[in-house]
Amino acid sequence: DGGITQSPKYLFRKEGQNVTLSCEQNLNHDAMYWYRQDPGQGLRLIYYSQIVNDFQKGDIAEGYSVSREKKESFPLTVTSAQKNPTAFYLCASSIPQFHGKLFFGSGTQLSVL
Amino acid sequence: AQTVTQSQPEMSVQEAETVTLSCTYDTSESDYYLFWYKQPPSRQMILVIRQEAYKQQNATENRFSVNFQKAAKSFSLKISDSQLGDAAMYFCAYRSAKTGTASKLTFGTGTRLQVTL
Repeated sequence: DGGITQSPKYLFRKEGQNVTLSCEQNLNHDAMYWYRQDPGQGLRLIYYSQIVNDFQKGDIAEGYSVSREKKESFPLTVTSAQKNPTAFYLCASSIPQFHGKLFFGSGTQLSVL
Repeated sequence: AQTVTQSQPEMSVQEAETVTLSCTYDTSESDYYLFWYKQPPSRQMILVIRQEAYKQQNATENRFSVNFQKAAKSFSLKISDSQLGDAAMYFCAYRSAKTGTASKLTFGTGTRLQVTL
């Protein structure tokens, strides 16, 4: 089945530690996105990539980094500079023909130990 | 910058009844897209319905329909014949037509819909 796979489902970070969230898609979509979801807030865009080896900052990129070495993969690293990383992280993909239709993964819940 | 406001944090509807979720947005643009996304307990977001701003006709998808009032910048979602499976968080979202091929969406804070027997 085509879709977006996020792993792990739950992740715990220690103080000062970098952690990486995985996002893989087999939909052959060019664009991929990372959103952060906090309780009582909507989704906020962290980073997005429209093509391999290129990505742009979203609204809340500070403390995060990404890479796009393959079309299928768009990992997100939460660095130690992100002081409030506890949140639910959603990865998504899209194609231009479906203006605004995002295909989402099932998310990763990140918590701080 | 565009903003999306959902003023109803929670709503409740009885099974088989109709419920309307409200959304307002602020933009200076004339061409854009609006969406309603559903987030069930599984937390995987699903597109419910989409509206292009240049279309006057309100979008419908089976039991889901919208009331798009461009001048008032209002975009409400009506769910008819509500079912237990409709219980979820519903997010209103905005996409500028100027973002090229990237689907950068601005989301509201969501409305939690409960469906009771």
